[in-house]
Amino acid sequence: GAGVSQSPSNKVTEKGKDVELRCDPISGHTALYWYRQSLGQGLEFLIYFQGNSAPDKSGLPSDRFSAERTGGSVSTLTIQRTQQEDSAVYLCASSAGLAGGDTQYFGPGTRLTVL
Amino acid sequence: AQTVTQSQPEMSVQEAETVTLSCTYDTSESDYYLFWYKQPPSRQMILVIRQEAYKQQNATENRFSVNFQKAAKSFSLKISDSQLGDAAMYFCAYRSAAGKLIFGQGTELSVKP
Repeated sequence: GAGVSQSPSNKVTEKGKDVELRCDPISGHTALYWYRQSLGQGLEFLIYFQGNSAPDKSGLPSDRFSAERTGGSVSTLTIQRTQQEDSAVYLCASSAGLAGGDTQYFGPGTRLTVL
Repeated sequence: AQTVTQSQPEMSVQEAETVTLSCTYDTSESDYYLFWYKQPPSRQMILVIRQEAYKQQNATENRFSVNFQKAAKSFSLKISDSQLGDAAMYFCAYRSAAGKLIFGQGTELSVKP
């Protein structure tokens, strides 16, 4: 596709349930990022994949959060045993992965609501 | 750790006028990149402009330009000839060689017809 796509667009779940959020990066982009946008915390980095390197997981808020990237393309962010404070917009971005400040292009996000 | 501060939660500008959004950052790194992103109600983050710290020349993209003051760690965005479509949340972001973006709190810009 022409841009980064994310699914679902919106997700409503009950507290304690697990959810999976999907990101399809721009074709050929080797770097993929997940961010979280919430009213209280603003925009926060969660995790970063670059090629075949070990991901940078330094932003994951707890061990209930995990992400994987299969085949160097699609990524799935999983939140286990969701809590109300997990309610936020989850944004995915990809970049060409060039050395230096290559630009990150964002998807439209997934709005997660935990009841 | 790096931080980014946008001290203006809201700004307003008259259509066709010029507005400047402020951003300051804190870092001990010498090599980094700075960005301004626009987020309309659709939630899509759109790149407005980027600046490499090693470049002294201020970046310009059509009606958008920056005033980059490296010593002062300041990176303001100027929007000239404001249009109704410029209304959005604007985020300043810092990127180090580590890859992740660090965002400011955002500035909500409204454009009055």
